[in-house]
Amino acid sequence: QMQLEESGPGLVKPSETLSLICTVVATSVSSTRNHWGWIRQSPGKGLEWIGNIDNSGRVEYNPSLESRVTVSVEMSMRQWSLRLTSVTAADTAVYYCARQGDVAYGYKYYFDYWGQGIRVTVSS
Amino acid sequence: DIQMTQSPSSLSASVGDRVTVTCRASQGIRIDLGWYQQKPGKAPERLIYATSKLQSGVPTRFSGSGSGTEFTLTISSLQPEDFATYFCQQYNTFPPTFGQGTKLEIK
Repeated sequence: QMQLEESGPGLVKPSETLSLICTVVATSVSSTRNHWGWIRQSPGKGLEWIGNIDNSGRVEYNPSLESRVTVSVEMSMRQWSLRLTSVTAADTAVYYCARQGDVAYGYKYYFDYWGQGIRVTVSS
Repeated sequence: DIQMTQSPSSLSASVGDRVTVTCRASQGIRIDLGWYQQKPGKAPERLIYATSKLQSGVPTRFSGSGSGTEFTLTISSLQPEDFATYFCQQYNTFPPTFGQGTKLEIK
């Protein structure tokens, strides 16, 4: 059973950068058939896909966040990361990492495994 | 972006009831729709993909149907562990988008 674990600070100051890491337990991120994504959930916006990366480092971002988001991968450490710059209170949310489904079957943007989530609050 | 609209936003029901949740897409998404179940304080969990295919381990009282712009999730006989929030999600068109959720509560 795949396990994903988010880690990072739970409190970020306005205008600073939010940085999170997702670690995969018991498997690898080197699969060519899956992408590795980030999703957030807030009371105001609900569930919002942030972006993803594949094992070659190709990224895709939600256009609504693209100017502030960077996702990168460290396959040897079975990790991928999220950076979100210039945060405001609107970025307060629970952030999830997730494995995206098998590209070969058209499930690239379906989320089949999720981390437990990490609550991030933006406040001074 | 494709807007996903769920109805109702909340629903009260009793153990043993049959319930249906509807999800409408603002444009056609073929059958590229998934459903997730989320319990308080937990991450969403996969339930159904490709509109009607149950993930491994999901009880057969759950079913999904639809195509194009209108989809339904049905629970044939509610069990205590089914009281949760359910989300639909389209993965047909970039960027993927979610419905706002339907909270299923015990009557």
